[in-house]
Amino acid sequence: NAGVTQTPKFRILKIGQSMTLQCTQDMNHNYMYWYRQDPGMGLKLIYYSVGAGITDKGEVPNGYNVSRSTTEDFPLRLELAAPSQTSVYFCASSGTEFWNQPQHFGDGTRLSIL
Amino acid sequence: QKEVEQNSGPLSVPEGAIASLNCTYSDRGSQSFFWYRQYSGKSPELIMFIYSNGDKEDGRFTAQLNKASQYVSLLIRDSQPSDSATYLCAVNRRGAQKLVFGQGTRLTINP
Repeated sequence: NAGVTQTPKFRILKIGQSMTLQCTQDMNHNYMYWYRQDPGMGLKLIYYSVGAGITDKGEVPNGYNVSRSTTEDFPLRLELAAPSQTSVYFCASSGTEFWNQPQHFGDGTRLSIL
Repeated sequence: QKEVEQNSGPLSVPEGAIASLNCTYSDRGSQSFFWYRQYSGKSPELIMFIYSNGDKEDGRFTAQLNKASQYVSLLIRDSQPSDSATYLCAVNRRGAQKLVFGQGTRLTINP
């Protein structure tokens, strides 16, 4: 099993450009999450989803959008990239009985906005 | 007050000693507690989780939970240089469907 796969691993964007960070999981997990991690800081939740067709905002959703059309995929869209969005982005997933199930993380996407 | 607080460190421990990492949380409805290890430039990986008061042991790692005092700790016995990493505490409330992470404690094991 591949687990949680994120693409691309690195990307440099210019201010105002848009892009989609891809995330797919092969564990049939219902719950999926997007986090950002700034240098020396913990993880901040951007958006999450509890199943196909259901998404909800986390603590830092501004400037981002998500969709969940299938159980496997949970892409994160950046519209009008800004320098403040320079960060490492992690996608994660967990099983149905969330409260006692750990989250499994992808390897991350390192994004720079110049 | 932050929902989950950790001392950011760095915490320096000599090789072979016990490293003690602490985490406090503010929500009394918190149900389960996770410790993740994150090496520099890598993604977080689960070390262990706990949801009952008391101690839970897994190899060199012991998680301790005290819900009355609202803290959870991680002990690493016989610390090795390979344990040098940032340790993230994460907490969730039953039904909340999401974790809240602390900022992490950077641990350095000195040979």
